[in-house]
Amino acid sequence: RKEVEQDPGPFNVPEGATVAFNCTYSNSASQSFFWYRQDCRKEPKLLMSVYSSGNEDGRFTAQLNRASQYISLLIRDSKLSDSATYLCVVINQGGKLIFGQGTELSVKP
Amino acid sequence: EAQVTQNPRYLITVTGKKLTVTCSQNMNHEYMSWYRQDPGLGLRQIYYSMNVEVTDKGDVPEGYKVSRKEKRNFPLILESPSPNQTSLYFCASSSHPRTSGGHTDTQYFGPGTRLTVL
Repeated sequence: RKEVEQDPGPFNVPEGATVAFNCTYSNSASQSFFWYRQDCRKEPKLLMSVYSSGNEDGRFTAQLNRASQYISLLIRDSKLSDSATYLCVVINQGGKLIFGQGTELSVKP
Repeated sequence: EAQVTQNPRYLITVTGKKLTVTCSQNMNHEYMSWYRQDPGLGLRQIYYSMNVEVTDKGDVPEGYKVSRKEKRNFPLILESPSPNQTSLYFCASSSHPRTSGGHTDTQYFGPGTRLTVL
């Protein structure tokens, strides 16, 4: 079993839709969690950190469920420019970054 | 402008011909690392460096070497490239490494190097 797993998609949604991604992690001692965005095989860039209390940044909401060992990313009112691959990143207890495979999102007009 | 640069951006080479991919950052970051990205496998860490003259193996170090003689540079060396090293490579840096080898600060990635080994 992979340490961090994501549904690779692709998720094809119309503009304005709400879309949610989940990411599960196997190591219960994992300490920090992030969502990165990657466009067309360009470099990944930090989208947002994920805190235990949940956090929101505009149309994006990230949540952590430690009991079930998953994190989620919710995108509301999706835009064409949201089309990208979203990478889940977990830092394990040893301080190592583990990347998920990424979930591809395609927002259509 | 704060950035991580990599060169070359694209490279096609043949089996066995030594090559070096350079990586440089201008943010005075202590922590630097190399990843490769392959379809279905995500980003996998090759090597990382906590500081000058300190390097450690990541998940997939076989066939690669690195060096960290200066804080800003972290070249990736393929002494004898093979076709299974065909991949997209990213260098990354960040400012707060933990002594255990990881970090919680944002990683800044270079633009990537697409390598094809024939």
